[in-house]
Amino acid sequence: DGGITQSPKYLFRKEGQNVTLSCEQNLNHDAMYWYRQDPGQGLRLIYYSQIVNDFQKGDIAEGYSVSREKKESFPLTVTSAQKNPTAFYLCASSIMARVSTNYGYTFGSGTRLTVV
Amino acid sequence: DQQVKQNSPSLSVQEGRISILNCDYTNSMFDYFLWYKKYPAEGPTFLISISSIKDKNEDGRFTVFLNKSAKHLSLHIVPSQPGDSAVYFCAASRGKAAGNKLTFGGGTRVLVKP
Repeated sequence: DGGITQSPKYLFRKEGQNVTLSCEQNLNHDAMYWYRQDPGQGLRLIYYSQIVNDFQKGDIAEGYSVSREKKESFPLTVTSAQKNPTAFYLCASSIMARVSTNYGYTFGSGTRLTVV
Repeated sequence: DQQVKQNSPSLSVQEGRISILNCDYTNSMFDYFLWYKKYPAEGPTFLISISSIKDKNEDGRFTVFLNKSAKHLSLHIVPSQPGDSAVYFCAASRGKAAGNKLTFGGGTRVLVKP
């Protein structure tokens, strides 16, 4: 079955440490995205990538870094510079839009990061 | 600047009745709109979508209405079922020009009471 896998499901980090969240998809999707969800808030875009070896900052990229060395993988690193990293992180992927269609996203099941 | 807004953070409805969720947007370049459903500790799942060339799209119990002049869309769920209890996100896209990037609203939590 094709899908998008995030790991781990729960992650604890000490203050001052970097941590990397994994996201892998076998849907052959071109684009991948990282969103953050805070309690009572919507989804905010951190980074996205439309093609291998290329990515763009989203609305809240500060304190985060990504890489896209393979089409299937889009790991997110939460650095010590991120002031409030405790949140639920969602990875998504999609086919790049054609001229007049948009296929929407397939989401992973998320990683809950807690800073202790 | 929040380009997609869901002004009702929560909604409670009796089983069998209609649930109406609203969403407003400010960017007139948006041309495709989607609704996602999310359960706690899970990723959102696609529910229904509508293109800006249409004003209504129906899929079973779910219907989405689009009013372009008012920059407003709504999701109707009828009849509502207890399994519909979840958070619903409205999302908008500018299509290929923006690389398929979706902008999400803040979500509406729906509680369907048996």
